[in-house]
Amino acid sequence: AQSVTQLDSHVSVSEGTPVLLRCNYSSSYSPSLFWYVQHPNKGLQLLLKYTSAATLVKGINGFEAEFKKSETSFHLTKPSAHMSDAAEYFCVVSDQEYGNKLVFGAGTILRVKS
Amino acid sequence: DGGITQSPKYLFRKEGQNVTLSCEQNLNHDAMYWYRQDPGQGLRLIYYSQIVNDFQKGDIAEGYSVSREKKESFPLTVTSAQKNPTAFYLCASSISSGGTWALTGELFFGEGSRLTVL
Repeated sequence: AQSVTQLDSHVSVSEGTPVLLRCNYSSSYSPSLFWYVQHPNKGLQLLLKYTSAATLVKGINGFEAEFKKSETSFHLTKPSAHMSDAAEYFCVVSDQEYGNKLVFGAGTILRVKS
Repeated sequence: DGGITQSPKYLFRKEGQNVTLSCEQNLNHDAMYWYRQDPGQGLRLIYYSQIVNDFQKGDIAEGYSVSREKKESFPLTVTSAQKNPTAFYLCASSISSGGTWALTGELFFGEGSRLTVL
């Protein structure tokens, strides 16, 4: 079955240090993968997406993610955290086998300390 | 500015009452969606609509109903049959949900409605 696992429910970093949010997926076909961000009591906003082009994907606000098929991973990174990055992040997978349905991970809450 | 408007932002309901959440979009998108968000569970799809006067059940449709009489509007009714309705509800839209959309497309979300049952 199609699924996505976010390995950490909470991540805490200091401002100016790197961010790593981990995501593993399972998919029988070539998946599309997305990261969305949600600030408190707000809707979700697309950060970046992978759709079988370049495996290193750059998104908004300095975030990027690398698709690693051998590891079935799509981890989100940022070189230097900013206070405004504090939010919840969702990894999302979709593939043709399941009618192009989007499956959301449980989310990772990122805390940024000053 | 184009976007999705959800109302009300906060809503309280007594047990046994039906409530309707509004969702309006001016993005000219064909497809609209309702998701439910509970802490630590991600988003779960309630209903979606690809075109006016048509809609499909998602993963957790029981206790909910929708209508799609206009392209820009997709209201969600939480009925008394929904046993655990307290949650954050998110409406979204996309250009189209057919074909290969989900492989390349983007969902645009409203700011959500928080429903609390007293």
